[in-house]
Amino acid sequence: GDSVTQMEGPVTLSEEAFLTINCTYTATGYPSLFWYVQYPGEGLQLLLKATKADDKGSNKGFEATYRKETTSFHLEKGSVQVSDSAVYFCALRLGNFNKFYFGSGTKLNVKP
Amino acid sequence: DTAVSQTPKYLVTQMGNDKSIKCEQNLGHDTMYWYKQDSKKFLKIMFSYNNKELIINETVPNRFSPKSPDKAHLNLHINSLELGDSAVYFCASSRAGTQNEQFFGPGTRLTVL
Repeated sequence: GDSVTQMEGPVTLSEEAFLTINCTYTATGYPSLFWYVQYPGEGLQLLLKATKADDKGSNKGFEATYRKETTSFHLEKGSVQVSDSAVYFCALRLGNFNKFYFGSGTKLNVKP
Repeated sequence: DTAVSQTPKYLVTQMGNDKSIKCEQNLGHDTMYWYKQDSKKFLKIMFSYNNKELIINETVPNRFSPKSPDKAHLNLHINSLELGDSAVYFCASSRAGTQNEQFFGPGTRLTVL
């Protein structure tokens, strides 16, 4: 079935370190892919998205490229800040459906 | 200007009680959702309505009943609350089309004592 798998956390990094959070998906069609971020005590908010293969989504220094050949959408940031500490969710949406599939979330802790 | 709003933000109640959570969106979206997030942050879809019609109904106890009086509102009523219902409940909405994302409310933290 359709699903999203992302790396387990927590991920702990020092400020200015490079971040990668892995996300792979299984889908029967041609999904759009999303990364959401959840700060403590808040709802999820869209971080970036990509709607077709080879698209790169980017926002606030975060990037992810839609790789159809490896069914992946890994999140990267070159230099993390303490304020990036949050839980990150990878998600997909398939055409003709209103259902979103979410990964289990990856908690990121950034230390000063 | 809040896009997706939920009330209340916190709800503390005794086992066996009945409670409701309300959700409203002012984005003009035609699909709304309820999710349950557990203490490990795992997000589980519960229900989805499209133009007031139930389209997703996951394996959820029938003590949970969603109601959509119009496209902009989706309420969640829970009967006979149990300890295991304690969680954060999120409402979300989206526009039709694969490329469109969901917008989430701020969540309702339900604690059942």
